[in-house]
Amino acid sequence: DIQMTQSPSTLSASVGDRVTITCRASQSISSWLAWFQQKPGKAPKLLIYKASILESGVPSRFSGSGSGTEFTLTISSLQPDDFATYYCQQYNSYWTFGQGTKVEIK
Amino acid sequence: EVQLVESGGGLVQPGESLRLSCAASGFTVNSKYMSWVRQAPGKGLEWVSVIYSGGDTYYAASVKGRFTISRDNPKNTLYLQMDTLRPEDTAVYYCATLTDGNYFGYWGQGTLITVSS
Repeated sequence: DIQMTQSPSTLSASVGDRVTITCRASQSISSWLAWFQQKPGKAPKLLIYKASILESGVPSRFSGSGSGTEFTLTISSLQPDDFATYYCQQYNSYWTFGQGTKVEIK
Repeated sequence: EVQLVESGGGLVQPGESLRLSCAASGFTVNSKYMSWVRQAPGKGLEWVSVIYSGGDTYYAASVKGRFTISRDNPKNTLYLQMDTLRPEDTAVYYCATLTDGNYFGYWGQGTLITVSS
């Protein structure tokens, strides 16, 4: 099974900050990676797929990069609506999520 | 507009069974890969099961042999039959579509299953 590890688990930041979340796969997954945002009591929302392709309607301050085993999600200028938990998810072999990164207000 | 609406959640005792439903609109369930994903309280997301458009089904090791995914094409509904439930199955269960069979595109609002005596 492919394991996904995110870091950090929690991130404290202020509005306007540049934020980077890292996701590492236990084996190469090429670019078969998606990122999701989840707010309390809500379903996850797709942000990025194939490591770097922005889903339609998602603000351009979100970007993704990486391939193989190391990936990043970057929020260029954190907005109040961005405080949430973020998950990476591989789809190279079945489907596995990272444990999540909570972005909280500093 | 794609919409997924889950139902069937509730409180059950260990060892009991429950069937979840996911009513779809805006597309036909047999045209897409459809999946169930769960989230235990305060925890992360876990893929549970998938049914391909061709009908093949696959399960996570944690539920294999106890859960069965199926669909009813005329009703345009996805199901998850859950047998021999355990306390560790307690979670919000989401149905979701798999875009191009790859990543989870559309999600329902989720339904909570609590397994407790």
